[in-house]
Amino acid sequence: AQSVTQLGSHVSVSEGALVLLRCNYSSSVPPYLFWYVQYPNQGLQLLLKYTSAATLVKGINGFEAEFKKSETSFHLTKPSAHMSDAAEYFCAVSTNAGGTSYGKLTFGQGTILTVHP
Amino acid sequence: DTAVSQTPKYLVTQMGNDKSIKCEQNLGHDTMYWYKQDSKKFLKIMFSYNNKELIINETVPNRFSPKSPDKAHLNLHINSLELGDSAVYFCASSQGLTGVATNEKLFFGSGTQLSVL
Repeated sequence: AQSVTQLGSHVSVSEGALVLLRCNYSSSVPPYLFWYVQYPNQGLQLLLKYTSAATLVKGINGFEAEFKKSETSFHLTKPSAHMSDAAEYFCAVSTNAGGTSYGKLTFGQGTILTVHP
Repeated sequence: DTAVSQTPKYLVTQMGNDKSIKCEQNLGHDTMYWYKQDSKKFLKIMFSYNNKELIINETVPNRFSPKSPDKAHLNLHINSLELGDSAVYFCASSQGLTGVATNEKLFFGSGTQLSVL
């Protein structure tokens, strides 16, 4: 079984400040971890993905996430927030269990990021 | 052109009715999915089709029936709608089968908000 917990349903930062969105996962096998972003009235878009290569993963729009096995975490960060980063962010986990695991991403509840001028 | 398009965007209907949500992807992908986002914002996979063949069928009521006339379309038909069916339904597609160590990613539609009264 796998699960994802995103700490904080709402995060508010000032423009130019550090963005930190927290994600902790639970998985019985080595996980594959994802961050998706959903802008208003749009579908989810993949920000970045961890697939057991480098533990620090860089994504689009200056975002990055670090896989920490000891902490079972995959927090999303960006050094300097921009107004256009305001959106909802979803962390997700999948496993390489084969069989019918394909496409079975398990999503967290989402974190709404607000950026103030 | 929208890569993954769902119609309708909003659907308001009475309990007991039968309704369909349509999904089309113009990416040439082989695999399509239906996800349900409940009121607590959890996204859960419902079905997945690969080249018109059902490969994932999670525990959903029999009232939900996916239909894939061709690999570019995956429609979701819901019979005898119930209040608990109210949610946002997301269609998605991928070139191959995600969830394993590939470079595949999911492309999501913008969602269909279903409200059952």
